[in-house]
Amino acid sequence: GAGVSQSPRYKVAKRGQDVALRCDPISGHVSLFWYQQALGQGPEFLTYFQNEAQLDKSGLPSDRFFAERPEGSVSTLKIQRTQQEDSAVYLCASRRDRGPSFAQYFGPGTRLTVL
Amino acid sequence: AQKVTQAQTEISVVEKEDVTLDCVYETRDTTYYLFWYKQPPSGELVFLIRRNSFDEQNEISGRYSWNFQKSTSSFNFTITASQVVDSAVYFCALSEANFGNEKLTFGTGTRLTIIP
Repeated sequence: GAGVSQSPRYKVAKRGQDVALRCDPISGHVSLFWYQQALGQGPEFLTYFQNEAQLDKSGLPSDRFFAERPEGSVSTLKIQRTQQEDSAVYLCASRRDRGPSFAQYFGPGTRLTVL
Repeated sequence: AQKVTQAQTEISVVEKEDVTLDCVYETRDTTYYLFWYKQPPSGELVFLIRRNSFDEQNEISGRYSWNFQKSTSSFNFTITASQVVDSAVYFCALSEANFGNEKLTFGTGTRLTIIP
């Protein structure tokens, strides 16, 4: 079956622009995660949804970052007034059910470059 | 707080050699899960294995094997008879078993290069 898909794969933004990154999870997966991966580093947690409920947003670095999953499927990560330090790969992962015993499956990521 | 340390930043071995990637973790929980992911040059993280804290049995899957030792808080990964396709960045990750705190905490990764 289809895996996690993300769009766009690459995004170049001028400093101060708003961007929206989309994630389509594996069909039927109830949990969805967003991570940020800086160059040469491991992914860092941003936020987590269970269906449409955002249960943990402790990793969002500032109030410029906002995520939603209104119908419990597709999710959008929005970054307002982008800054150069926002340049990174943004990874989305989905998981079949609630509970850490289930593995998270990752999409290919969106590489954001802020000029 | 949970933490994962992968002290080996880069490893290079000649094809067909065995190689072990180290992973050391810290957590205050007694129940937790450990994972290994592979990130090839294409960039997509590929799930390899999950292990819970109550199962210290070593696991083998083809050329891959994992050694989990709670006494040393380690979860090491060995590739036997390495192949060029094994070249990638490998991440170890930890998740605590608390509903509501279900994020993965990753190490910084080990870049493995297999020389033909």
